[in-house]
Amino acid sequence: EAQVTQNPRYLITVTGKKLTVTCSQNMNHEYMSWYRQDPGLGLRQIYYSMNVEVTDKGDVPEGYKVSRKEKRNFPLILESPSPNQTSLYFCASRDYDSFSYEQYFGPGTRLTVT
Amino acid sequence: GDSVTQMEGPVTLSEEACLTINCTYTATGYPSLFWYVQYPGEGLQLLLKATKADDKGSNKGFEATYRKETTSFHLEKGSVQVSDSAVYFCASFIIQGAQKLVFGQGTRLTINP
Repeated sequence: EAQVTQNPRYLITVTGKKLTVTCSQNMNHEYMSWYRQDPGLGLRQIYYSMNVEVTDKGDVPEGYKVSRKEKRNFPLILESPSPNQTSLYFCASRDYDSFSYEQYFGPGTRLTVT
Repeated sequence: GDSVTQMEGPVTLSEEACLTINCTYTATGYPSLFWYVQYPGEGLQLLLKATKADDKGSNKGFEATYRKETTSFHLEKGSVQVSDSAVYFCASFIIQGAQKLVFGQGTRLTINP
């Protein structure tokens, strides 16, 4: 089954404790992206990656890092989480050559930073 | 910059009522337009899409028409069901640059039996 998976689904942590949210897709997509969802703001892009070893900042990259060492994986790293990073996070992927431009979303990771 | 604006929610309707959720966009180019739906506790699912002016997207009884002259992509359904209760997001996509989806703020829809 074609899908984007994220882990963990739920995470409660404390300020300053480094964490990683994993994202993996099995569709051989070149493009992957991270979004955060906050009430009243919709979803905003954090980082994106056009392909392996190619990453760039989105609209709200502060406090986040990413890496793309393999095509299927695109982890999101919070080196020193802060309470303002409490949010619902979504990973997405799409086929770079697809003219439908559809992005496939993971199930989301709800992060709480206390 | 590019942006998407949706009607304010929440929206509460009775079963079998007609639904319209307004969506307008601003874009420097010619975006593709999408409606995504988020059911309680789940991720985003693509509901429908349109890639050029005058295209009509449709799925599960929902429809939306890409109106270039009014820069709109309103979501409509003639008779809603309780199972349609969810949060609906309008989004635009520009192929240039970051290739990101630009989302509206979301509209929470509740259908009462």
